[in-house]
Amino acid sequence: AQKITQTQPGMFVQEKEAVTLDCTYDTSDQSYGLFWYKQPSSGEMIFLIYQGSYDEQNATEGRYSLNFQKARKSANLVISASQLGDSAMYFCAMSPTGNQFYFGTGTSLTVIP
Amino acid sequence: DAGVIQSPRHEVTEMGQEVTLRCKPISGHNSLFWYRQTMMRGLELLIYFNNNVPIDDSGMPEDRFSAKMPNASFSTLKIQPSEPRDSAVYFCASSLVPGTAYFGEGSWLTVV
Repeated sequence: AQKITQTQPGMFVQEKEAVTLDCTYDTSDQSYGLFWYKQPSSGEMIFLIYQGSYDEQNATEGRYSLNFQKARKSANLVISASQLGDSAMYFCAMSPTGNQFYFGTGTSLTVIP
Repeated sequence: DAGVIQSPRHEVTEMGQEVTLRCKPISGHNSLFWYRQTMMRGLELLIYFNNNVPIDDSGMPEDRFSAKMPNASFSTLKIQPSEPRDSAVYFCASSLVPGTAYFGEGSWLTVV
């Protein structure tokens, strides 16, 4: 069974500060991908970052980095230097094969000026 | 490059009417997904296709829902008859397996 857990329904961060959004997953597959998506209030789902289960280095994309701890089955998203435009819902997802994507329930991030 | 294109963007319909949502995946992608998003249930996978073939439709809520993918560049999700509890945002996403799923902007459905 696949399961994604995001335990933080809502988070607040001061502008220009860093914030970590938590994600843990449960899978029996050895090979899988981990993804983070951003959903602003306008509703679209925007792909942010990807980490493969066999990647030894943590993925980074600009201000986004994924803190991947395989033994703990966690894939936390770190946003550095938060901006007001980062206020959105953030979804963690896992795909064992690329054929299915399993999503967490999301974390609502609010950046405070 | 064009992303995943969904239509309509918004639809308001009366209970009992047929609703058809459309999706054009990213060219070259071989998998297509339909998701439904509600406040109560979050993102639910309804069905996904691989090379135009439905692989898993276990998420389709009931017989009122059907999905087709007649070719690699088009898919529909149909609800007949629609009910108020079907009100949600319906997302289509496509990917090149294995790879990242890219989402359309969603179709916001309201059934009154």
